[in-house]
Amino acid sequence: DAGVIQSPRHEVTEMGQEVTLRCKPISGHNSLFWYRQTMMRGLELLIYFNNNVPIDDSGMPEDRFSAKMPNASFSTLKIQPSEPRDSAVYFCASSFQGRQFFGPGTRLTVL
Amino acid sequence: GENVEQHPSTLSVQEGDSAVIKCTYSDSASNYFPWYKQELGKRPQLIIDIRSNVGEKKDQRIAVTLNKTAKHFSLHITETQPEDSAVYFCAASITQAGTALIFGKGTTLSVSS
Repeated sequence: DAGVIQSPRHEVTEMGQEVTLRCKPISGHNSLFWYRQTMMRGLELLIYFNNNVPIDDSGMPEDRFSAKMPNASFSTLKIQPSEPRDSAVYFCASSFQGRQFFGPGTRLTVL
Repeated sequence: GENVEQHPSTLSVQEGDSAVIKCTYSDSASNYFPWYKQELGKRPQLIIDIRSNVGEKKDQRIAVTLNKTAKHFSLHITETQPEDSAVYFCAASITQAGTALIFGKGTTLSVSS
């Protein structure tokens, strides 16, 4: 199994631009999570899905952030418009029966 | 909701010594307790986990113990090596409820040779 796949691995964009991060969970996993990690705030859960349904989006910082999971094998996290304070590493993770595995992350830099 | 406290925040040991990291949780319904290791610039990696029907689990140099009555669990690393240096996170969740993992704030372990 290839594990959780994220793209892009690195993204550099300018303030105000739209950013879309993509995730393919491990096949057979029924839960998917989006996290953000910075030195200041540590690892933060943004939103998670069970069986493609959003369960808790209370961690999404603002309306500029949105996430979708149109099917069991794909999810996106979108930031529109992006701001410099959104610069962070964004991890996607998937799980089955609680055992959770992280993707390699997307390092986002907003100039 | 669940709250996970992790101590210490930093830990420095000499190569060959043992290291212990402790976590407490608040929700007695939590039944799954994983530990993650995150090296600099890498993703968190699951290194060991324990479910509430087990008191202890061991995998080579690492072991986890769980005390459900006291609501705490610990990670033990024996014969530490420089490559054990990383940030370690504990977490807790209720698997049958489909809840997210609640993470501790992490422990930075430094192993000096």
